[in-house]
Order: sequence, then structure tokens, then C-alpha cells
Amino acid sequence: GNSVTQMEGPVTLSEEAFLTINCTYTATGYPSLFWYVQYPGEGLQLLLKATKADDKGSNKGFEATYRKETTSFHLEKGSVQVSDSAVYFCAMDTGRRALTFGSGTRLQVQP
Amino acid sequence: SAVISQKPSRDICQRGTSLTIQCQVDSQVTMMFWYRQQPGQSLTLIATANQGSEATYESGFVIDKFPISRPNLTFSTLTVSNLSPEDSSIYLCSDQQGAETQYFGPGTRLLVL
Repeated sequence: GNSVTQMEGPVTLSEEAFLTINCTYTATGYPSLFWYVQYPGEGLQLLLKATKADDKGSNKGFEATYRKETTSFHLEKGSVQVSDSAVYFCAMDTGRRALTFGSGTRLQVQP
Repeated sequence: SAVISQKPSRDICQRGTSLTIQCQVDSQVTMMFWYRQQPGQSLTLIATANQGSEATYESGFVIDKFPISRPNLTFSTLTVSNLSPEDSSIYLCSDQQGAETQYFGPGTRLLVL
């Protein structure tokens, strides 16, 4: 069946460190892929998306590239800030419009 | 992107009662979705709500427990019935904007005692 797998958290980094959060998916066909972010006490915000292979989504210094060959959509940021501390969710849309989410990865950035 | 609001933002309810959550979108949308986020967990789709038709429920969710209304293209309600502590979660609605992208409301935090 369709599923999204994310790396376990929490991920703890120092400010200005490089961030990678791994995400892989299992799906028939070619889903659209998303990263959502949930700041403490808030709802989900769309961070970035990619709708076809080799697309790169980017926003607020975050990037993720849709890799069909490895069925991956890893989230990266070159220099994290304390304000990036949040839970990050990888998600996909296989065409039925509803989203399948990964388990979420909590990021803690220390000053 | 559409602005989505939910009411109430949080509530504390007694077991056996029901809570109705409202979701309002500031533009007309065809598809709206209701998700549940249990404490420390990811989001699970409860149902898809289309205007003018019955909601479509995911496996493990039934209409008697989670009745949904969709009276027009900008509004939907989710009722969580016969509450138990296991229903303590964040409930989120979302809509489909353009191709593929969903936007979420701020969520309703429910605690059942």
C-alpha cells in the first residue's frame, strides 16, 4: 500500500548547522510530494512541494528534490535557526486528493 | 492560498458528550478533508467531504461516530460523538486549492475527561 517513511526524531542541531530530514515513499504511479511544518501550538503550514520527478521545491531556505529513482524527497537547509524548531511532516498525494503523511520529525535547534 | 478558520480552537469535554467542529474557508472549494492528529502522532485522514454528497470515510472511521456536514462550498462541520478519552486529539480540516495542494486550518484541540 501507499506509505511515507520519515527518519525518527528528535533531531537536535546547533544554530547554523546543516539539516537533512530523510523521507522516502511507497506508491503506485507518481505522487505529488510535500513538506509541511507544524510550529509549537500551531496548525500545519505548507513548506514546499514538488509534483514530478526531478522537481525541486524550495521555500524559506529549505529545499527538497523529487528523486524517482530512489523514491525520496529529503528536506535540506544549509543553516538552521532557532526559529526553525518545529515538527516537519513529509506527505504525498497519489491522485486521490487526500494526503498520506509520514510520522513527523521533531527538529530542535539550540542557540 | 485560502484562509481556513476553525471553531472552537480548543475544548474540554466530558465523556459521553459530543463536540461539533466548524471549518470555514474564505473561497469556494470542491473538496474538504478532516484529519485527526493524536498526541505525538502524525495526521490520519478521517473523511473527505464534498458539497452535495455524503462524506467518504476512511477505514476505521464511521459516520455514526464522526458525522460530517457540507452544506455549501465554503463550510463543513465534523461532530465527534459519544466522546471517550481516546478521542483526545487535534482535529484539522483542509481544502484542495488548485492542483494537488492542500491548506490546513489551525486545528481544534480536544481533551476528553
